[in-house]
Amino acid sequence: DAKTTQPPSMDCAEGRAANLPCNHSTISGNEYVYWYRQIHSQGPQYIIHGLKNNETNEMASLIITEDRKSSTLILPHATLRDTAVYYCIVRLQMGSGGYQKVTFGTGTKLQVIP
Amino acid sequence: NAGVTQTPKFQVLKTGQSMTLQCAQDMNHNSMYWYRQDPGMGLRLIYYSASEGTTDKGEVPNGYNVSRLNKREFSLRLESAAPSQTSVYFCASSITVAGSYNEQFFGPGTRLTVL
Repeated sequence: DAKTTQPPSMDCAEGRAANLPCNHSTISGNEYVYWYRQIHSQGPQYIIHGLKNNETNEMASLIITEDRKSSTLILPHATLRDTAVYYCIVRLQMGSGGYQKVTFGTGTKLQVIP
Repeated sequence: NAGVTQTPKFQVLKTGQSMTLQCAQDMNHNSMYWYRQDPGMGLRLIYYSASEGTTDKGEVPNGYNVSRLNKREFSLRLESAAPSQTSVYFCASSITVAGSYNEQFFGPGTRLTVL
């Protein structure tokens, strides 16, 4: 799996958009970008994933650069409950009969400030 | 659905004691995983089970054994606990279907302290 680089911490004002960057310059063509978050003491929670197109769901948007070497997770209106560690993960999607080996780094600790 | 459940939630052991951490999922997932998370660090994969009947080592398997009892249950055993195994242990599961994304669902964790 490609290595990812994330800033160790970020602050965001409540109600503003939180933009979390991730660098994955060694990503290969068939590797997906996944984002998870971990709210204090809880198990990680899946947020969103993408291959080359921008993606949006009810939780967040994922913007992937055209060369796929970096991406940004956007929380459009951050709330205090979004305070968490956010993990950017790059991995191959395995097909039927395969498995998922996911490597979590240390992520970005997002602090949403009132 | 309960999702992924783990027992116990907390455990304190003395060095050399043994114990088994239990994990169960009710989502009919075929793959299951055990991770550990030390303070201030990311998750590290201990063992995983791609499907019922198979298990494989992850990043940090030393000192642990696993059993995939059936499709629902995946247990982690510490035969002789050491202080270095003080950590939070997370179990996760996922479904593997060709052509679809395979997010992992995590349990609430077991907080283990080895004295």
